[in-house]
Amino acid sequence: DTAVSQTPKYLVTQMGNDKSIKCEQNLGHDTMYWYKQDSKKFLKIMFSYNNKELIINETVPNRFSPKSPDKAHLNLHINSLELGDSAVYFCASSQAVGQGEAFFGQGTRLTVV
Amino acid sequence: GEDVEQSLFLSVREGDSSVINCTYTDSSSTYLYWYKQEPGAGLQLLTYIFSNMDMKQDQRLTVLLNKKDKHLSLRIADTQTGDSAIYFCAESRAGGGNKLTFGTGTQLKVEL
Repeated sequence: DTAVSQTPKYLVTQMGNDKSIKCEQNLGHDTMYWYKQDSKKFLKIMFSYNNKELIINETVPNRFSPKSPDKAHLNLHINSLELGDSAVYFCASSQAVGQGEAFFGQGTRLTVV
Repeated sequence: GEDVEQSLFLSVREGDSSVINCTYTDSSSTYLYWYKQEPGAGLQLLTYIFSNMDMKQDQRLTVLLNKKDKHLSLRIADTQTGDSAIYFCAESRAGGGNKLTFGTGTQLKVEL
């Protein structure tokens, strides 16, 4: 039983394209997140949603637009992809804001060529 | 501001203990975590400690927290080859929306 699942696992696309990454959690958690891991393995938060509402937006370019249709899903849409967007994107969830443990998905490796 | 630092590499022999260190700057950190990332995989939560605790033990893992020095360590007893991975410490703070601020990661290599 996958707790936090992301699709696709790998995504290769050309500069200028628009792409989406989907995330679903079956843990009944209220809070979901997107993190970006760069080529040096550095991890940084991008967005956080609590019960479908945006609570954290860490100065991410507005080409990145998260969408949460319900509290079990948090999708990430990226417009006009650039080479520098190449990274591994991780979705995560936690029970609620302020609750310690976050569970991560397996990651989506995005390569922009 | 928030800053979390770790040494980049650690190499140990199988059966020895590993100690991975982490320093952080945010004195309002509420929880401190250790995550493990194996190659090509996501992050696995190993353990976490609340900021008013000094120590937490969970089987082969021991977490020590020195809040005065803002220093966190993870000790892995009887290190095995399956422990080879990148280990990230992370912190979150009350009022921070539960976002995790991650350290730079320590690559642990276990040699036979």
